[in-house]
Amino acid sequence: GAVVSQHPSWVICKSGTSVKIECRSLDFQATTMFWYRQFPKQSLMLMATSNEGSKATYEQGVEKDKFLINHASLTLSTLTVTSAHPEDSSFYICSASKGSGGYEQYFGPGTRLTVT
Amino acid sequence: GENVEQHPSTLSVQEGDSAVIKCTYSDSASNYFPWYKQELGKRPQLIIDIRSNVGEKKDQRIAVTLNKTAKHFSLHITETQPEDSAVYFCAANSGNTPLVFGKGTRLSVIA
Repeated sequence: GAVVSQHPSWVICKSGTSVKIECRSLDFQATTMFWYRQFPKQSLMLMATSNEGSKATYEQGVEKDKFLINHASLTLSTLTVTSAHPEDSSFYICSASKGSGGYEQYFGPGTRLTVT
Repeated sequence: GENVEQHPSTLSVQEGDSAVIKCTYSDSASNYFPWYKQELGKRPQLIIDIRSNVGEKKDQRIAVTLNKTAKHFSLHITETQPEDSAVYFCAANSGNTPLVFGKGTRLSVIA
């Protein structure tokens, strides 16, 4: 076990609209979930760490008002990209950890966002 | 915070040869070092990991070595096959911090 799902797998939206991405741990409770962004041919860049029931911790340079993260339950975290722009087009990947730290993170399949 | 450097950025080997990818880290508190394989458009897949109380770990054709004193760890793939072609990422963290990834190595195995 330790399966993480993401929805949608891909999305195309118009500039100025908002998009919500869901990350679910299917067979375990995820105390901590992480959101990464990956541009083509680049590494995974951590955007934020979310713990169930508390505010997300954002990495430096990531706008918390633009990338809204909600971790309402132990199995679900959502990332909402607000007022999306073409430069937000990227591969967004979530991961989940069973413990309170970063050991053994289980990755979702990713969501490819294209903003036109 | 932690900083992970990974080398080389690209690596081409002949099928059957070995491939070695090296990473260094900066935070002496880091104690978990996983390696991920990522194919185009897919999620990173954990292929092997090592914790700081171990110096070496092997799983069939894949091995990882860790030198805590020098703060570096390496991935070794022996008898490479075309299906080993992918991007490989190293990462590091301690028990209560997020994983920090290296920039990745694009491995090409030439048949």
